[in-house]
Amino acid sequence: GESVGLHLPTLSVQEGDNSIINCAYSNSASDYFIWYKQESGKGPQFIIDIRSNMDKRQGQRVTVLLNKTVKHLSLQIAATQPGDSAVYFCAETALGGGTSYGKLTFGQGTILTVHP
Amino acid sequence: SAVISQKPSRDICQRGTSLTIQCQVDSQVTMMFWYRQQPGQSLTLIATANQGSEATYESGFVIDKFPISRPNLTFSTLTVSNMSPEDSSIYLCSVEDLSKFGYTFGSGTRLTVV
Repeated sequence: GESVGLHLPTLSVQEGDNSIINCAYSNSASDYFIWYKQESGKGPQFIIDIRSNMDKRQGQRVTVLLNKTVKHLSLQIAATQPGDSAVYFCAETALGGGTSYGKLTFGQGTILTVHP
Repeated sequence: SAVISQKPSRDICQRGTSLTIQCQVDSQVTMMFWYRQQPGQSLTLIATANQGSEATYESGFVIDKFPISRPNLTFSTLTVSNMSPEDSSIYLCSVEDLSKFGYTFGSGTRLTVV
């Protein structure tokens, strides 16, 4: 979950397209995952979450897929809009108790740019 | 969901000085956390702010550099001590939000050390 450098992966899409942002997580004990959106000058904003007993969860225009076998998480945004332009982070934690409870480990982030 | 007020929103400080960042929540929360986001990077957990006891620090962060207070269930402070330019980052407060099962973040404090 530690950041991996100064240059985040980028994804550029046209308005109206569907966007898919991927994330590989590191801890097989993690059982709760969250996607955050961070706009310039703001703190991370909760988008959608999923627990490890599910493999798919849908929200408004967003879907999160979880593949525990390969420790992979994805965020799908339907009909992407310019207002969706931001940095997107996945985060993992273990809610099963112990000293790691509630501590989020963040992925490196992806910059999404939506062109009108 | 919980609303977090974080102050200051930004500051420019001289090296060698200290800055205290405040985090105020509009409801009582059990768990509060402090994160650091270095320029162009992801978020890293600094510590868990525990009410009534010392904060729990993550590897690479120490109390002398980042003293934390948590006097009650709605307030915490993080101090960045003896600052150097390497401390230039965004510092974020986060709480466990039981109203919607997730973790809410403040808007952050953008610190520049010159």
